[in-house]
Amino acid sequence: GAVVSQHPSRVICKSGTSVKIECRSLDFQATTMFWYRQFPKKSLMLMATSNEGSKATYEQGVEKDKFLINHASLTLSTLTVTSAHPEDSSFYICSARPGTDFYEQYFGPGTRLTVT
Amino acid sequence: GQNIDQPTEMTATEGAIVQINCTYQTSGFNGLFWYQQHAGEAPTFLSYNVLDGLEEKGRFSSFLSRSKGYSYLLLKELQMKDSASYLCAASDSNYQLIWGAGTKLIIKP
Repeated sequence: GAVVSQHPSRVICKSGTSVKIECRSLDFQATTMFWYRQFPKKSLMLMATSNEGSKATYEQGVEKDKFLINHASLTLSTLTVTSAHPEDSSFYICSARPGTDFYEQYFGPGTRLTVT
Repeated sequence: GQNIDQPTEMTATEGAIVQINCTYQTSGFNGLFWYQQHAGEAPTFLSYNVLDGLEEKGRFSSFLSRSKGYSYLLLKELQMKDSASYLCAASDSNYQLIWGAGTKLIIKP
């Protein structure tokens, strides 16, 4: 159990366009979802925490107007990278935490974004 | 401030044992996680410790000392597929994970 999916797994887009990444908890309800970014050979960097039905909480230095997060249901959160630039190229990973379990996060497989 | 320290890289031999250390400083503490991450993939859960002591799970064991702010991950009977990065993460008072930079483990034949 506790499966989290992400779509797409890989995306290449042109500078200036927007990209939406979906994160779904397949077999549990996730009251909280997390979005991370990871640069090559670096650890995970938390971008934002989203709770179902409320606005996301962004970490310091993360532009909320550039990285739009929507947690519309207990099983779906989306991250939209708006007006993407090459420096936004990265590995984006989501994780989900069940409402009844405060200590475990289940990770999605990640999305490799390349902006040309 | 909050901080997690772990070695950047370690090398070990196939069949041997390796211990990866992690020290942490957090505002409050709700447990210590270890994750394994292969290149280009998302992290996968290995272990969780919230009480002092050793938790054994097959070839992998994890130890925690809350008074020392210290944990280690012990890998026995190393296999080539164990080559990966190992991430230490501490859960703070808000149950937010504070991540270490990861330890890249290289296994040699």
